[in-house]
Amino acid sequence: QQQVKQSPQSLIVQKGGISIINCAYENTAFDYFPWYQQFPGKGPALLIAIRPDVSEKKEGRFTISFNKSAKQFSLHIMDSQPGDSATYFCAARDDYKLSFGAGTTVTVRA
Amino acid sequence: GAGVSQSPRYKVAKRGQDVALRCDPISGHVSLFWYQQALGQGPEFLTYFQNEAQLDKSGLPSDRFFAERPEGSVSTLKIQRTQQEDSAVYLCASSLVHPGQAGELFFGEGSRLTVL
Repeated sequence: QQQVKQSPQSLIVQKGGISIINCAYENTAFDYFPWYQQFPGKGPALLIAIRPDVSEKKEGRFTISFNKSAKQFSLHIMDSQPGDSATYFCAARDDYKLSFGAGTTVTVRA
Repeated sequence: GAGVSQSPRYKVAKRGQDVALRCDPISGHVSLFWYQQALGQGPEFLTYFQNEAQLDKSGLPSDRFFAERPEGSVSTLKIQRTQQEDSAVYLCASSLVHPGQAGELFFGEGSRLTVL
């Protein structure tokens, strides 16, 4: 069964807009929550990550918000650019094993 | 190159054939993982090596799947008697240390297997 639920499946945003992707989990053993960016024909690449003792982490235009009590976390992409068009995966780690969400395909329209 | 290298990038197999997929991790990386990514889905864990030791193979779908890393560097994922449901991208990833020690995971570009 999928341990990390991700939504939406896809989204379209105008250049300069904000993209928001949401994830939820149940396993309280998860201790590390990374987001990966994947372009067609490429492997996933780490974008940004957060630990559950932090409620927010920002790196450039990318921000993770984390709600431990609700077991939810989200990725915000500010000032979206055409180069951000990709598939984004949330993930959660239990010891060494990553569980991935199903992915969100983001399309940024110029 | 400096990244994780996988070969072949594309493999077409007839149902029932055996295939072998190779992974060259980043030099010096202790941990190595195989993930399976079905079309339109997120990667799913298959197996984990620390050096040459296979510490977890709980994600391998069946006994037709076998992975090895005999010298603690290059790894091979072997699939025997391939079935159509084995069609997927097989991703290899490596990490300098045990991932629990906050080691970043680096993924290769994957090997896309199509079983006809």
